[in-house]
Amino acid sequence: ETGVTQSPTHLIKTRGQQVTLRCSSQSGHNTVSWYQQALGQGPQFIFQYYREEENGRGNFPPRFSGLQFPNYSSELNVNALELDDSALYLCASSQGGGPRTDTQYFGPGTRLTVL
Amino acid sequence: AQKVTQAQTEISVVEKEDVTLDCVYETRDTTYYLFWYKQPPSGELVFLIRRNSFDEQNEISGRYSWNFQKSTSSFNFTITASQVVDSAVYFCALRASSGGSYIPTFGRGTSLIVHP
Repeated sequence: ETGVTQSPTHLIKTRGQQVTLRCSSQSGHNTVSWYQQALGQGPQFIFQYYREEENGRGNFPPRFSGLQFPNYSSELNVNALELDDSALYLCASSQGGGPRTDTQYFGPGTRLTVL
Repeated sequence: AQKVTQAQTEISVVEKEDVTLDCVYETRDTTYYLFWYKQPPSGELVFLIRRNSFDEQNEISGRYSWNFQKSTSSFNFTITASQVVDSAVYFCALRASSGGSYIPTFGRGTSLIVHP
């Protein structure tokens, strides 16, 4: 069974740029969630995708957007990067449908630094 | 609104000591789910346990045990005979209905340091 993978591992961008982070879900999982974890904080929920549709969103502005593909992999896009976007971005996949509470399994994360 | 409070920012113990990590949650929903995750220095969150609001039965898994008490809105986690490999940040999380979307809410985490 393949676990959740994320790419890239690390990324450095400058303020105002755009970034795309990628996530491959665990085999058999059809739901992907994205989280932002600032240093010393708990993960903050950004949004969740189920069968290519966004079906839950946290308190993040529209410049945070995402996609889920037919193979259930996912992308997180952030436009107009700000210094406060520097964080560890975690992807989690789960099995089951819709806004469920199935257990989420996390990837290793992408460390984004905005200068 | 949902809220998870982990009042202990950092706990330091010596190997073989028992340690309890506290978690207090707030929600108006009657159906909700509680989780504990471990985050080692590598950064990946590792799932430890999930508990449903309608199941107050405590659970023991090896050296780990969990005490869920709805009366005090607490879901505490105890490690018995701690080991150096237990050193990590531990997060408690809540998923409650919030209009049907079950937005997850994490606490700020408790950093556990186990000294040899």
